[in-house]
Amino acid sequence: KQEVTQIPAALSVPEGENLVLNCSFTDSAIYNLQWFRQDPGKGLTSLLLIQSSQREQTSGRLNASLDKSSGRSTLYIAASQPGDSATYLCAVNDYKLSFGAGTTVTVRA
Amino acid sequence: ETGVTQTPRHLVMGMTNKKSLKCEQHMGHRAMYWYKQKAKKPPELMFVYSYEKLSINESVPSRFSPECPNSSHLFLHLHTLQPEDSALYLCASSQRDVTRGYTFGSGTRLTVV
Repeated sequence: KQEVTQIPAALSVPEGENLVLNCSFTDSAIYNLQWFRQDPGKGLTSLLLIQSSQREQTSGRLNASLDKSSGRSTLYIAASQPGDSATYLCAVNDYKLSFGAGTTVTVRA
Repeated sequence: ETGVTQTPRHLVMGMTNKKSLKCEQHMGHRAMYWYKQKAKKPPELMFVYSYEKLSINESVPSRFSPECPNSSHLFLHLHTLQPEDSALYLCASSQRDVTRGYTFGSGTRLTVV
């Protein structure tokens, strides 16, 4: 059974600092990995989808890397802003989506 | 119209009521999903429909009954729920191509009283 772990569980940074969010998974036989953002009480917004054959994917200030062999992905958010405050979930697709517990980010103005 | 639309956004129901959650997508996705999310926990898969046929039921109690009448609509029928069933219910859809990502709706916040 796929196990997905996200570290840290919570993170508080001053505005402008870069964010580094980690995700690890136990079974490397995956199709892809997806990073989501969730605001309190809301649905999931897809941020980045990275295929198993890719090493990284970028969108604006966001960059996600994937090392399938070691079962790790990292989401980098450059120059954080208060609007980036949310919970970030990684989800591994190995036919079903398996989610990590998320990292709750607070960016202080 | 793109995206996944869920209605209602909020629902309060008594334990003896019967209600339904609705999910709609017009992106041509042929797989649709129901997830349940408790506070501060990750989403948990409940049901998967592929080409309007139920393909996965994650041992969900029978008081939850899914229905997929066509490729654009998904329902979750609720009856005789318990207070512990209170949660955010999320609908998602995807292409059957496993290289495509999932699109989630905004969820229905369900409170059982």
